[in-house]
Amino acid sequence: NAGVTQTPKFQVLKTGQSMTLQCAQDMNHNSMYWYRQDPGMGLRLIYYSASEGTTDKGEVPNGYNVSRLNKREFSLRLESAAPSQTSVYFCASSEYDRENGYTFGSGTRLTVV
Amino acid sequence: GENVEQHPSTLSVQEGDSAVIKCTYSDSASNYFPWYKQELGKGPQLIIDIRSNVGEKKDQRIAVTLNKTAKHFSLHITETQPEDSAVYFCAAILSGSARQLTFGSGTQLTVLP
Repeated sequence: NAGVTQTPKFQVLKTGQSMTLQCAQDMNHNSMYWYRQDPGMGLRLIYYSASEGTTDKGEVPNGYNVSRLNKREFSLRLESAAPSQTSVYFCASSEYDRENGYTFGSGTRLTVV
Repeated sequence: GENVEQHPSTLSVQEGDSAVIKCTYSDSASNYFPWYKQELGKGPQLIIDIRSNVGEKKDQRIAVTLNKTAKHFSLHITETQPEDSAVYFCAAILSGSARQLTFGSGTQLTVLP
């Protein structure tokens, strides 16, 4: 029972490089989310996907793109990484049609130098 | 949009004492309030939640209270143990179709032996 799986766990990028963070869930959840976590700022929503085939911007979408590949997978892409994108990124999933907590992955620690 | 404020940002207690973390929210339509615990190097994990039609909920040593009139809710941990040391986040659901959680900025709880 894996829950939410994120890859990679750690990544170092040079400014301007691109990369994709992968997320997959095996709980048959409809909704998926990408958050970033910075010291003293809690968790801020980057993008979310309420259901397969839809994506929407969250609080801090600039510099990111997402793809909801299928019901299980939701990826986050940095096209041209900047030092300001150094952060810990968390993927989460939840049921759509009833109040419920989110299930989080273990995170990707990204450093942009 | 929803705004969630959490305090204190750090809290140290002696083992066996109680700990209280408080949050306020701005959107009176919010109706679901979860609390998450994040241990070092891991993703947040749901520990307790409360819905707007309930004033208090308990689960062993953990309790959450909700005051809808004042728009604040609190986490209470009794008989604290060293393993309670972690970062705790409150959150509130922004009313809307995607049920996006808005998080507080977190409280670092340290239980001193």
